[in-house]
Amino acid sequence: ELKVEQNPLFLSMQEGKNYTIYCNYSTTSDRLYWYRQDPGKSLESLFVLLSNGAVKQEGRLIASLDTKARLSTLHITAAVHDLSATYFCAVDMGGTSGSRLTFGEGTQLTVNP
Amino acid sequence: DGGITQSPKYLFRKEGQNVTLSCEQNLNHDAMYWYRQDPGQGLRLIYYSQIVNDFQKGDIAEGYSVSREKKESFPLTVTSAQKNPTAFYLCASSRQLYGYTFGSGTRLTVV
Repeated sequence: ELKVEQNPLFLSMQEGKNYTIYCNYSTTSDRLYWYRQDPGKSLESLFVLLSNGAVKQEGRLIASLDTKARLSTLHITAAVHDLSATYFCAVDMGGTSGSRLTFGEGTQLTVNP
Repeated sequence: DGGITQSPKYLFRKEGQNVTLSCEQNLNHDAMYWYRQDPGQGLRLIYYSQIVNDFQKGDIAEGYSVSREKKESFPLTVTSAQKNPTAFYLCASSRQLYGYTFGSGTRLTVV
């Protein structure tokens, strides 16, 4: 059974600071996704990471994937208040039963002025 | 524009009542999914379907039923057997190598 674990689950940080969210998963996977969710809203796709060593950047967010360590990170650089949201990583299972996502518990990020 | 439409946005269920959540997509995606989200938690897979007339149970299928009679539609019925149905329900679709698209969600409350 695939398990996806995120840490920290809650993160409060000051504007301008850097921090990293970690996503560990238990079995081999083809791809990993990062999503953002604002309160009461659906998921917004941030990144799709497809291969070992993949690194993608969008604004102040940098995502990376280490398939050997089964670890993905979401690095926040020089945080701003607008980044306050909950961030989820999700692993695509694939296999004979078909692709489907297994989600981590989410990291609730609060950026304080 | 292509996308996924979930309806209704808010739904209230009385004890012992079955309710059906609608999910329609015009993206020509083969696969469709239903997830449940409880407050402060991640998403858990209820059911998914890779092709028309076929579907598989996810991690928390008990108390739910689905059908996939058309490629565009994947309705979810929350039956009276689901004892704690209050949650946020998200529908998604995917096409191989194209990633996942999520609907805007239905918030179900038991009254």
